Amino acid sequence: NAGVTQTPKFRVLKTGQSMTLLCAQDMNHEYMYWYRQDPGMGLRLIHYSVGEGTTAKGEVPDGYNVSRLKKQNFLLGLESAAPSQTSVYFCASSWDRNQPQHFGDGTRLSIL
Amino acid sequence: DAKTTQPTSMDCAEGRAANLPCNHSTISGNEYVYWYRQIHSQGPQYIIHGLKNNETNEMASLIITEDRKSSTLILPHATLRDTAVYYCIVRVYPNTGNQFYFGTGTSLTVIP
Repeated sequence: NAGVTQTPKFRVLKTGQSMTLLCAQDMNHEYMYWYRQDPGMGLRLIHYSVGEGTTAKGEVPDGYNVSRLKKQNFLLGLESAAPSQTSVYFCASSWDRNQPQHFGDGTRLSIL
Repeated sequence: DAKTTQPTSMDCAEGRAANLPCNHSTISGNEYVYWYRQIHSQGPQYIIHGLKNNETNEMASLIITEDRKSSTLILPHATLRDTAVYYCIVRVYPNTGNQFYFGTGTSLTVIP
């Protein structure tokens, strides 16, 4: 039982490049979330999903897209990376909106 | 306005109880209070959550005031491994949907 797995763990991009971050969970959770964390700040919600095929915007959705084609996977895409998107990205999942969220170990993304 | 208010930092002597306060005066009547912690460079770890009653598990105790406007996380016998940033979280909606507001947390340092 791996819990929540994020890939890759590290990545460096050039401005304007695109990439996709993958989050996979093996707990059969319905809800999945993408957060970003910047120095000196808490986690801010980017997008979330309440089930397979659904997505919704969080607090800071601009510049990101997401997809939940399979229940166990939640993908975060950057179509045209910008230096302001340099951050640590965390994925989480939960049974429902009131149950605790389980987090992955993060993806450290630098955009030059 | 802040959704939660926590001290920026606290120290605690090893072996003593650590009491971490949180104010959440805008919490809705049916929303839970959650506590997470984040050890440097790792994903947040769930500690405990509660609605109205006090809660206890193997990690900590959660004391919620009767008016639910504040709570205290208690680590009964702090160890060096409890040094982390502790987040008090409440849900924020309906404008932003299923969102947990993490805030900036309390940086707890356990001193030998």
